[in-house]
Amino acid sequence: AQRVTQPEKLLSVFKGAPVELKCNYSYSGSPELFWYVQYSRQRLQLLLRHISRESIKGFTADLNKGETSFHLKKPFAQEEDSAMYYCALSSGSARQLTFGSGTQLTVLP
Amino acid sequence: GAGVSQSPSNKVTEKGKDVELRCDPISGHTALYWYRQSLGQGLEFLIYFQGNSAPDKSGLPSDRFSAERTGGSVSTLTIQRTQQEDSAVYLCASSLAGPGNQPQHFGDGTRLSIL
Repeated sequence: AQRVTQPEKLLSVFKGAPVELKCNYSYSGSPELFWYVQYSRQRLQLLLRHISRESIKGFTADLNKGETSFHLKKPFAQEEDSAMYYCALSSGSARQLTFGSGTQLTVLP
Repeated sequence: GAGVSQSPSNKVTEKGKDVELRCDPISGHTALYWYRQSLGQGLEFLIYFQGNSAPDKSGLPSDRFSAERTGGSVSTLTIQRTQQEDSAVYLCASSLAGPGNQPQHFGDGTRLSIL
């Protein structure tokens, strides 16, 4: 069975500080990993996916198969980054996403 | 439309009643998903439709839950004989077909409250 774990329910950092949201997964095959974000009063939206290897809004995430992790990082957090972040996994032929329980990020002024 | 549309946005009903939740996917998206988000928990997969293929119902929690998709577009999630534990936000998402896993676009959800 596949599982996604986000160990931190809440995370607070000061503006300008680095931020890392942790995500670990368990899956025996080759997964596709995603980060979704939900800003206050907005719908859930895709932030980035590992196969794109791109940086979105200054965020990056590297898939580490050895550690089965896909941590989300940003070197300098901004107040507008405050949101709920979900790590998600999609496996092989199963197109549905398995989500972690989410991390609420608060960036303090 | 501009995005995935769900209705109603809020639904309050009494225990034991049946409810229907509707999802209009993005035009041209052949894949449609239903998820459930209970208080304090992540999103839980319920059911997946892809084109004319048989739906993947592996996430439905009980036989009180069912869903259909008519004409490859609009989908309805039905919960019969609702229970208090059915209270949650029900999210619909749609995506293009493959190759690979295309990004899923989510609606605003229906907040269901069972009294």
